[in-house]
Amino acid sequence: DAKTTQPTSMDCAEGRAANLPCNHSTISGNEYVYWYRQIHSQGPQYIIHGLKNNETNEMASLIITEDRKSSTLILPHATLRDTAVYYCIVEGNTGNQFYFGTGTSLTVIP
Amino acid sequence: ETGVTQTPRHLVMGMTNKKSLKCEQHLGHNAMYWYKQSAKKPLELMFVYSLEERVENNSVPSRFSPECPNSSHLFLHLHTLQPEDSALYLCASSQDTRAYNEQFFGPGTRLTVL
Repeated sequence: DAKTTQPTSMDCAEGRAANLPCNHSTISGNEYVYWYRQIHSQGPQYIIHGLKNNETNEMASLIITEDRKSSTLILPHATLRDTAVYYCIVEGNTGNQFYFGTGTSLTVIP
Repeated sequence: ETGVTQTPRHLVMGMTNKKSLKCEQHLGHNAMYWYKQSAKKPLELMFVYSLEERVENNSVPSRFSPECPNSSHLFLHLHTLQPEDSALYLCASSQDTRAYNEQFFGPGTRLTVL
């Protein structure tokens, strides 16, 4: 079952911030929000994950709303190499495995 | 070599052939996974191995047969496949099967069944 809803596609100008939204209105208290991306013809790559608090690493920032029903992945300065399909995944620490869904196809435009 | 490697990268086979896909991880992980990605479809989890034991089989047809001889190697044996089995087959590994562990993916094997 799809636990997340993402836009099918988005464009972003090179050098600008890319803000990718994800709705997960049925998220439960022990479920994390994960983001992976898949560049064409490659395997998916982990980006970031979070539970309640906002998270930042060298790749991106994850902003989770207070009610945890939605989140936004932020790529602060998008480059052409960030063109990829971005997957928002919600899963708990129960041993269940990820459902990747169809993701958001992000195109960074020169 | 580091990370997760898969061989071959491309494979074309007839429906009566038998072939095997190989995955190797150099990360010291205890869990390994096979995924299938068909054109314009989400990734589908096929098999999960934890410490060389299969812990999940998502209703995969028996023409796909996984093998995990040790925690570093994972095989997918293929026989009497159908054209609709043509897809990108991805291997991944993680420290263990708990969901918060990052999964590291290999580059995939692009399989074409004629």
